[in-house]
Amino acid sequence: EIVLTQSPGTLSLSPGERATLSCRASQSVSSSYLAWYQQKPGQAPRLLIYGTSNRATGIPDRFSGSGSGTDFTLTISRLEPEDFAVYYCQQYVPSTEGFSFGPGTKVDFK
Amino acid sequence: QVVQSGAEIKTPGSSVKVSCRSSGNTLATYTISWVRQAPGQGLEWVGRIVPIFGVAHYAQKFRDRVTITADKVTTTSYMELTSLTFEDTAIYYCATEETGSSTWGQGTLVIVSS
Repeated sequence: EIVLTQSPGTLSLSPGERATLSCRASQSVSSSYLAWYQQKPGQAPRLLIYGTSNRATGIPDRFSGSGSGTDFTLTISRLEPEDFAVYYCQQYVPSTEGFSFGPGTKVDFK
Repeated sequence: QVVQSGAEIKTPGSSVKVSCRSSGNTLATYTISWVRQAPGQGLEWVGRIVPIFGVAHYAQKFRDRVTITADKVTTTSYMELTSLTFEDTAIYYCATEETGSSTWGQGTLVIVSS
């Protein structure tokens, strides 16, 4: 079983700052199968990034993803007020045809 | 748009069946995933179905007590979870997905209480 770990647990920043979120897998994950989601309180999750670095439909270009192997990163270049939320990475494991999520990183106001 | 059925209150040992209707498409190009979120907790993948093939896959944790189906005519997916325990109290989300996009339902709160 591949386990995803996200760090930091909470990231306290101000609007306009750069946010760098980390997702680490216990074993190598195909870049094609790593995604990022955003969730705001009381709302359903929203797909941000798929295939490590591809922005989903309608996602602004201040969101970018990178990484390979076991280390992946979500970067928000300049935080907007609406970006303060919880972010989850997700992997797909072809051998089990299953998905799993990391525990999440909360981005909140400093 | 994806619309889910309303909240449910169930007793331990019973079952719940949550529906998820997708409007505006035939499910021909989508997969439908089910994800749950316990109060104050993170996201947990339950399973998904590829309606065009009628094939479902489940998380190991739920494999012996969850069934996900899809009706292409009504463009509705169902997730049934049996042998409920208090730990199954959560918001259950469905999402229709295709490459590069996903549309989520509003979530269905399932409370397991004696």
